Amino acid sequence: AQTVTQSQPEMSVQEAETVTLSCTYDTSENNYYLFWYKQPPSRQMILVIRQEAYKQQNATENRFSVNFQKAAKSFSLKISDSQLGDTAMYFCAFIHQNTDKLIFGTGTRLQVFP
Amino acid sequence: GAVVSQHPSWVICKSGTSVKIECRSLDFQATTMFWYRQFPKQSLMLMATSNEGSKATYEQGVEKDKFLINHASLTLSTLTVTSAHPEDSSFYICSARDVSSPGTDTQYFGPGTRLTVL
Repeated sequence: AQTVTQSQPEMSVQEAETVTLSCTYDTSENNYYLFWYKQPPSRQMILVIRQEAYKQQNATENRFSVNFQKAAKSFSLKISDSQLGDTAMYFCAFIHQNTDKLIFGTGTRLQVFP
Repeated sequence: GAVVSQHPSWVICKSGTSVKIECRSLDFQATTMFWYRQFPKQSLMLMATSNEGSKATYEQGVEKDKFLINHASLTLSTLTVTSAHPEDSSFYICSARDVSSPGTDTQYFGPGTRLTVL
């Protein structure tokens, strides 16, 4: 079965600092996609970053970057220069290339302090 | 781009009544839409996959006669909670895949609908 594990239920970071959220997944497939979604208090799910498994280069979106380690099945999210607006629940998610179903982790609640 | 809307954003209804929730892709066509349920402080649970022009595919344990899904056009899917009971109270979220974009696997989410059944 394909699973996504987020081992950090809660994290906190001071404004302007850097924080890394962990995610591991389990699959026997070779072609898949990985995502980080953000859910702020408004509960709107927002796509943060996306990574194709066949790409070795780590995806980057402004202050957000990932460390994708395919052999280790690890997909961590680094947030640089943290801002108060980054306070949210962060979900790691996986989808196999030939299926429709997104598989979510249990989430990490990130609090950014001033 | 890739905006998904939901209506209503919140609804309160009496036990035994039915409630319809709409999910629309505003600036793209979505042959596939998804309905999720989210309990407080938990992750999203996929309820069903909605396919335009065909029957929805329900996840194990989800009653298809209770949660009716209709995907009548490429931009609209509806979820009807029939004979609602207090245990159906939850946050319902839809998502849609933009099949025209290079990353056709990416799902874009609506803002959610909070249902409270009295």
